[in-house]
Amino acid sequence: KQEVTQIPAALSVPEGENLVLNCSFTDSAIYNLQWFRQDPGKGLTSLLLIQSSQREQTSGRLNASLDKSSGRSTLYIAASQPGDSATYLCAVRRDDMRFGAGTRLTVKP
Amino acid sequence: GAVVSQHPSRVICKSGTSVKIECRSLDFQATTMFWYRQFPKQSLMLMATSNEGSKATYEQGVEKDKFLINHASLTLSTLTVTSAHPEDSSFYICSASTTGDYGYTFGSGTRLTVV
Repeated sequence: KQEVTQIPAALSVPEGENLVLNCSFTDSAIYNLQWFRQDPGKGLTSLLLIQSSQREQTSGRLNASLDKSSGRSTLYIAASQPGDSATYLCAVRRDDMRFGAGTRLTVKP
Repeated sequence: GAVVSQHPSRVICKSGTSVKIECRSLDFQATTMFWYRQFPKQSLMLMATSNEGSKATYEQGVEKDKFLINHASLTLSTLTVTSAHPEDSSFYICSASTTGDYGYTFGSGTRLTVV
């Protein structure tokens, strides 16, 4: 059974800092990996989708990498802003989609 | 882009009653629908997978007689929580996928509170 782990569980940084969120998974036979953002009490917002054949995806200040062989992905957020405060979830897809527990990010003004 | 509409967004019901949650794919055909549950400060846990026209496949520990899933068409799936109890209070969220190697599209979630 696929296990997805996210480190750290929580992170607090001052505005403007660059930061890295980590995601690891136990079964490398995945179709893709997706990073989501979840605001308190809300649904999921898709940030980046990386297909299994890709190494990274970029969108604005976000960059996600995938190393399928080692079962790892990172989400890099550049020049963090208070509006980035949320829980970030990674999920891996094969026959279904399995989520990590998330990293709760707080960006202080 | 692909949109999944989930209703209701919030529902409060009395213990012992049943609640139905709907998810509709608005601009694509959802061959597969997934239902997740999220307890406070925890991640999303997959409850069941349903394919259009077939019986749902439930994850271990999820009572299929309590959480009834219907996926009668390619654009609509419903989750009915039968005889709800306070411990069923949670955030329920659906996601849909179509054939091909695409990411999933998620509904906006339903906050269920059983009193």
